[in-house]
Amino acid sequence: DAGVIQSPRHEVTEMGQEVTLRCKPISGHDYLFWYRQTMMRGLELLIYFNNNVPIDDSGMPEDRFSAKMPNASFSTLKIQPSEPRDSAVYFCASSFLGEHQPQHFGDGTRLSIL
Amino acid sequence: AQKVTQAQTEISVVEKEDVTLDCVYETRDTTYYLFWYKQPPSGELVFLIRRNSFDEQNEISGRYSWNFQKSTSSFNFTITASQVVDSAVYFCALSEMKTSYDKVIFGPGTSLSVIP
Repeated sequence: DAGVIQSPRHEVTEMGQEVTLRCKPISGHDYLFWYRQTMMRGLELLIYFNNNVPIDDSGMPEDRFSAKMPNASFSTLKIQPSEPRDSAVYFCASSFLGEHQPQHFGDGTRLSIL
Repeated sequence: AQKVTQAQTEISVVEKEDVTLDCVYETRDTTYYLFWYKQPPSGELVFLIRRNSFDEQNEISGRYSWNFQKSTSSFNFTITASQVVDSAVYFCALSEMKTSYDKVIFGPGTSLSVIP
């Protein structure tokens, strides 16, 4: 079975550019999560969706960040405009509903903003 | 507020040694879940185990074992006869039942290096 698929694996872009990260969750999973990982702050939850609906975006650092989930098999995380401090590894994860099922993570997108 | 502490930032062991990774958590809830995840050098996060607060039985899976002690709010992870492939960052995590979804609070991680 395919796991969570993220693209691109690596992204290098200049400050001010728009960045779009993509995620395909595991088929049938009800929840989708976006995390950011940095050395300084560890793993931070940015936003999560339940059945394609954003439930909690309190972790989104600024209005420059936005996320969408137009259907059950696709989500995007967009940064516009990007800044060097956005450089991090961004993970997407998905899980089944109920009983606090384990989250399954994608391989991550390593983002570098120059 | 819930919190997960992994006091060991980095550990180095020689191959075949046993190693224990500590995890201490804080929560006001009586019902919660604990997790361990592994992040190898390739970067992906791999789920290892989930344990609910009502199940204090220790668990063993091959060379891996977990010791859950509610009295000390600890959920420690032991690798027996460590191997180079065990080198990774290991995260302990906590999820409270009162939340409507799997909001997982991750600890800072322990970086394990197994030296051949």
